[in-house]
Parts: sequence; structure tokens; C-alpha cells
Amino acid sequence: KQEVTQIPAALSVPEGENLVLNCSFTDSAIYNLQWFRQDPGKGLTSLLLIQSSQREQTSGRLNASLDKSSGRSTLYIAASQPGDSATYLCAVNVGFSNDYKLSFGAGTTVTVRA
Amino acid sequence: DAGVIQSPRHEVTEMGQEVTLRCKPISGHNSLFWYRQTMMRGLELLIYFNNNVPIDDSGMPEDRFSAKMPNASFSTLKIQPSEPRDSAVYFCASRPYPSLTYEQYFGPGTRLTVT
Repeated sequence: KQEVTQIPAALSVPEGENLVLNCSFTDSAIYNLQWFRQDPGKGLTSLLLIQSSQREQTSGRLNASLDKSSGRSTLYIAASQPGDSATYLCAVNVGFSNDYKLSFGAGTTVTVRA
Repeated sequence: DAGVIQSPRHEVTEMGQEVTLRCKPISGHNSLFWYRQTMMRGLELLIYFNNNVPIDDSGMPEDRFSAKMPNASFSTLKIQPSEPRDSAVYFCASRPYPSLTYEQYFGPGTRLTVT
């Protein structure tokens, strides 16, 4: 059974500092990996999706890397802002027979202090 | 373009009552997922459908839970009878199937409180 772990569970940084969020998964046979953002009381917003054949994806201040063989992904957020405060969830798409479903980590709750 | 629509957004009910949660997927998406999120267990997949057919319901907690997808634009998740431990946020997500990425798009969730 695929298990996804996110460390740390919570993180507090001063504004302007770079954020590094870690995700690990036990089974490297993934189709792709998604990073989501969840604001308190809200739904999930997809930030980045990395296919298993890719090493990284970038969107603005966000960069996500993937090392499938070691079962790890890292989300970097450059020059953090108070608006980046949220919970960040990592999920891997796993499956068989040309169909896939997501297994989620528990998330990292980020607080960026002004 | 409208995203995934869920209703109601908040539901408060008494133990023993029937609860029905509703979801409208993104137009053109033919795969739909129901998730439950709690502090203790995080985000769990309950059931998903491809082309209105249930594919995997192994996450449905017990017989009190049932889900239907009568057509491509509507799904319901029903709890009967409800219990306080069912209190959680229930999310619906949709995606095209098959696709290159199998990327899922989430609705805003329904916060259920059972007293």
C-alpha cells in the first residue's frame, strides 16, 4: 500500500525566507505527483503536477522536484510572503490498467510571519 | 468556466438523520471522486466513478454510506443514519478519463457536523 509522508507537519518562517517542503512515498511506481494548496476552510487548489518522467516543474516562485527512484519530492517557494500561509498537500497518482487514483500526505501547514 | 460545484456548503444535522451531499463535476469530465477529510485521518478516498460506473468503493466506511451517479453531471453521497463520527469535510473532485495527466480538480467541500 502506498504511503505518503510530509515533513515537517508545520513550519513558521519570516517573510522573505525561502520555503522547503518535503514529501516522500514508499512505492516508486507512481504515474505522477501533485502539489496542492489548501487555505483554512477551503478546497484544494492544484499548484504543480510532475509526471514520473520529469525531474522538476516550475510556476512563478514555486519549483517542485521529483526523484522517483528514491521516493521523494520537494516543493520550494522562493521569497515567501504572508499570502503563502496555507497547508500544502502532496499526492501521488498510483494505479493499474490505465487508471489512477491519488494517495495524499497529511500536509505541511506553513505560516509566513510579516 | 465553472469548477466542481458542491452543495450544501455546510450541513448541521442530528444523529440518526439522513444526510445527502451533492456534486456537479466540471462539464466534460467523466470521472468523479468523493473524499473525506478529518484532522485524525487526513484526506481519504471514499469512492470514485468512471463514466457513471463505480470503480472503487473500498474506502466507503460502512453500509451507512452510499453514493450514486445517475448521470454525467450529478452525483450524491448519502449517509443514513448519520453519526457524530461522520463529522468531517467531504470533497468531490472530477477529471477527464482517460487523460495524459489524470489531474483531479476539487470542489469547495461540504462541512458536515452531526450532533
